[in-house]
Amino acid sequence: QSALTQPRSVSGSPGQSVTISCTGTSSDVGGSNYVSWYQQHPGKAPKLMIYDVSQRPSGVPDRFSGSKSGNTASLTISGLQAEDEADYYCCSFAGSYIFVFGTGTKVTVL
Amino acid sequence: QVQLVESGGGVVQPGGSLRLSCAVSGFTLSSSGMHWVRQAPGKGLEWVAFIQYDGSNEQYADSVKGRFTISRDYSKNTLYLQMNSLRNEDTAVYYCAKNKPGMGYWGRGTLVTVSS
Repeated sequence: QSALTQPRSVSGSPGQSVTISCTGTSSDVGGSNYVSWYQQHPGKAPKLMIYDVSQRPSGVPDRFSGSKSGNTASLTISGLQAEDEADYYCCSFAGSYIFVFGTGTKVTVL
Repeated sequence: QVQLVESGGGVVQPGGSLRLSCAVSGFTLSSSGMHWVRQAPGKGLEWVAFIQYDGSNEQYADSVKGRFTISRDYSKNTLYLQMNSLRNEDTAVYYCAKNKPGMGYWGRGTLVTVSS
């Protein structure tokens, strides 16, 4: 049960796009359609942004999109806004009802 | 309106026990799998445990297996996490979360501090 690997930080100017990667193995990300992404502001509970690799829950702006290729999932934020500055975590089903989170990425809006 | 409210956190000595509760409303536990997720101070999210909607399957992170037990009381619509043999490294905010789609609903968390 090793954590999925994410970049420690990414940054971009307002209006730009940023992409966060989430690298696992064939036992988790590569072998699962249950990859999700969470946004967490300081002192707050995480919020679901993407589920099942690329599905957006109701209420999440379409600036947020998810994809997967092989053992790596990605979250792209297009048209970056100040309120997008937060920590982001990926999570994958790893079989046998086991789940694993990524190491987390801090998104900074310049 | 879906709500999850954790309680039961506090300060406990190493080797001690604590039981966390997660009272849910807006849905029934018999219809949804549930997770416990924790976050140590200044650290990332760590998945802790999962129980299936009908209680037929449960699973744990290696770091807590054999020490923590997830359970539910359908009559009280409450999820529990029994934590035994607590260690300093179990210090964290513990969240409960509703499964599918993703972990779509979270509580605000309850802080557990393991310290002598």
